[in-house]
Amino acid sequence: QKEVEQDPGPLSVPEGAIVSLNCTYSNSAFQYFMWYRQYSRKGPELLMYTYSSGNKEDGRFTAQVDKSSKYISLFIRDSQPSDSATYLCAMSGRFGNEKLTFGTGTRLTIIP
Amino acid sequence: EAQVTQNPRYLITVTGKKLTVTCSQNMNHEYMSWYRQDPGLGLRQIYYSMNVEVTDKGDVPEGYKVSRKEKRNFPLILESPSPNQTSLYFCASSPTPDTQYFGPGTRLTVL
Repeated sequence: QKEVEQDPGPLSVPEGAIVSLNCTYSNSAFQYFMWYRQYSRKGPELLMYTYSSGNKEDGRFTAQVDKSSKYISLFIRDSQPSDSATYLCAMSGRFGNEKLTFGTGTRLTIIP
Repeated sequence: EAQVTQNPRYLITVTGKKLTVTCSQNMNHEYMSWYRQDPGLGLRQIYYSMNVEVTDKGDVPEGYKVSRKEKRNFPLILESPSPNQTSLYFCASSPTPDTQYFGPGTRLTVL
């Protein structure tokens, strides 16, 4: 079993819809949770960063962490064609000295 | 402009021919790492470096070498490439391991 599981998609939704992307994990030591966005032919870029359980909002993006269920989510409101990309979740155990473990990524397409 | 650069961006080579992929960052970051990205397997860390002359193995280090003689550079060396090392490679740097800035990627094909 992989430490981090992520549905690879592809996921296609119409412009303006709310998108929900999810990851589950098995390592209870994970404390830091990130979402990266990767456009085609580009390197991943950090989108959201959260610590422990709870929600974090940044514009149209909301990251949720439920440590009791070992489940994290990324919500995109009012989705735009420019949001079309692969979204990767990542997590680590200790700040500053722990490697990242990535999910395999979900390919998202927003249809105009 | 703050950036991570990799060279070459594309490389086709043959089995056993030593190659080096360079990585350079201009952000004075201490932490640098190399990943490979494969369909269905996601990003897997090859090696990382916490600072100059400090390197350690990631999840898939076999067949790779690295060195960190200067803070800004972190080259990836394949002494004897094999076809199973055909992949998309990313270098990353960051002030901390969990907020990494990725380079543009190097697509390597080993025939």
